Amino acid sequence: AQSVSQHNHHVILSEAASLELGCNYSYGGTVNLFWYVQYPGQHLQLLLKYFSGDPLVKGIKGFEAEFIKSKFSFNLRKPSVQWSDTAEYFCAVNGENYGGSQGNLIFGKGTKLSVKP
Amino acid sequence: EAGVVQSPRYKIIEKKQPVAFWCNPISGHNTLYWYRQNLGQGPELLIRYENEEAVDDSQLPKDRFSAERLKGVDSTLKIQPAELGDSAVYLCASSPLPWERETQYFGPGTRLLVL
Repeated sequence: AQSVSQHNHHVILSEAASLELGCNYSYGGTVNLFWYVQYPGQHLQLLLKYFSGDPLVKGIKGFEAEFIKSKFSFNLRKPSVQWSDTAEYFCAVNGENYGGSQGNLIFGKGTKLSVKP
Repeated sequence: EAGVVQSPRYKIIEKKQPVAFWCNPISGHNTLYWYRQNLGQGPELLIRYENEEAVDDSQLPKDRFSAERLKGVDSTLKIQPAELGDSAVYLCASSPLPWERETQYFGPGTRLLVL
């Protein structure tokens, strides 16, 4: 069965520190990869996504993620975090060109990021 | 553009009672999803609609859960009767097309507490 693993449950950083959140997936085929973010009191929203081309993708608010196929990973990075990046981050994956339920998004458990001012 | 609207935002009921959640997707979005998010977990898909057709309900506990999307716009998710383990956040999402690369747009969710 497909699965997504986010290794860190809660990450605490000071402002200006660099961020890397891990995401590994288990999926037998071509995949699409997503990072969603949920700011406090707000709904889930897309941060960035990857489905083909340059494995380094850039998203909103200075975030980027790198797809490493050989490692089944799609880690999220930001060189310098701000207090406003405090949120919960979810990695998600689905299968490309799969019919039925294999095209559905599978989410990881999420990583809560707390940035200290 | 208006986002996905869900109501109610919060619901507290006693076990064995029925409960219903409503979702209005973004205008023009043909694909609608219902997810359940348990505490400390990511969202898990319950059912996916393309227009008014439920194209994937394999994860919906059909003994107590039901859903409908009349006229291919609004959708209602119902639980009858509710159990303690149904306490969770129920999320609705929509996307323009039934394509794996599409971004899903999420509503604020309904937080259900079953006592």
